[in-house]
Amino acid sequence: TQLLEQSPQFLSIQEGENLTVYCNSSSVFSSLQWYRQEPGEGPVLLVTVVTGGEVKKLKRLTFQFGDARKDSSLHITAAQPGDTGLYLCAGESGGYNKLIFGAGTRLAVHP
Amino acid sequence: DVKVTQSSRYLVKRTGEKVFLECVQDMDHENMFWYRQDPGLGLRLIYFSYDVKMKEKGDIPEGYSVSREKKERFSLILESASTNQTSMYLCASSSLTGDSPLHFGNGTRLTVT
Repeated sequence: TQLLEQSPQFLSIQEGENLTVYCNSSSVFSSLQWYRQEPGEGPVLLVTVVTGGEVKKLKRLTFQFGDARKDSSLHITAAQPGDTGLYLCAGESGGYNKLIFGAGTRLAVHP
Repeated sequence: DVKVTQSSRYLVKRTGEKVFLECVQDMDHENMFWYRQDPGLGLRLIYFSYDVKMKEKGDIPEGYSVSREKKERFSLILESASTNQTSMYLCASSSLTGDSPLHFGNGTRLTVT
């Protein structure tokens, strides 16, 4: 059974701080996706990483896919209150774009 | 703008009731999914469908069934609701293209008393 483990589970920081969220697995994934979910809404895709070692940037967010395609990280620089939310990593399992999800990292950024 | 619409935001049902959760997408997507989301457990796949009238079990199908009579609509059915089915239910859709993102609805929070 493929599993994705995210850490930390909770993160509470002050505005302007940097942070990193990790997504690890013992299995190889063809790609990993990162989603953000805000209260009362469904998850929304942030990025898809496909190639081992790939780095993608989305403004202050930097995503990295491990060389072996078993892990990924999300780094946020100078966090802002608008970054508050639940961050989820997901990998495809079994075709049909069927995703398995990590348990998520709940981030709170305080002004 | 793409849209996945779940018919109810909140539902309260009694143990033993039959419950229908409805989901409609307007993107002509082939794939549709039902997940449940519980604190500390993330999203777990209940059922998915890759075509009309086609359905496949996900990781936790016990106690649930689904129906897909039209491409745009995917229904989740709880045949006899139980308290351990109290959860947030999320519907999603995607195209067939590999690595296509999932588009989620805003969820239905179901409470079974």
